[in-house]
Amino acid sequence: DTAVSQTPKYLVTQMGNDKSIKCEQNLGHDTMYWYKQDSKKFLKIMFSYNNKELIINETVPNRFSPKSPDKAHLNLHINSLELGDSAVYFCASSQGPGRTEAFFGQGTRLTVV
Amino acid sequence: AQSVSQHNHHVILSEAASLELGCNYSYGGTVNLFWYVQYPGQHLQLLLKYFSGDPLVKGIKGFEAEFIKSKFSFNLRKPSVQWSDTAEYFCAVNAGGYQKVTFGTGTKLQVIP
Repeated sequence: DTAVSQTPKYLVTQMGNDKSIKCEQNLGHDTMYWYKQDSKKFLKIMFSYNNKELIINETVPNRFSPKSPDKAHLNLHINSLELGDSAVYFCASSQGPGRTEAFFGQGTRLTVV
Repeated sequence: AQSVSQHNHHVILSEAASLELGCNYSYGGTVNLFWYVQYPGQHLQLLLKYFSGDPLVKGIKGFEAEFIKSKFSFNLRKPSVQWSDTAEYFCAVNAGGYQKVTFGTGTKLQVIP
């Protein structure tokens, strides 16, 4: 029974396309995150939602738009994909923002060609 | 602003060797500290965490870490590594109740049988 699940696991798409990644957690957590991991394994936070409210919005191009329809879901939509968007995107959740351990999804490997 | 440094980028050890991975953070106040592990092709999993109390923290799989406030350090240790410990290790800090957790750049550990 997966705690944090993301779909799809792999995504290959052409430049200029629009794509979405979905994330769901069944842990009853209030906070969800999107992280980007680049080819050098550097992990950087992009967004965080607490109780469906955006609380962290790092310096991310506005082509990236998160949406949290409810506490258990946090989706990421990306418009006009660029080569530099290729990375692994991880969704995570925690009981509260920042101070508690995060549970990560399996990641979505996005390849833009 | 909080930041985390992991000075060892790539560590190669033989099985049964002892491990110590360095982690230093920059923040003068109260911190919550974490070590996460990412096995090849997998998501991040929590190894251990420090919030308060005993500065020597024991985690899963025989790992431990020591919080030394005067040195702003939270080094990860294991007395005897196994081939299955081959993975990327990330130190992370949440400072002063700030909502964000900042990750270090990771240390790749390769254990040779």
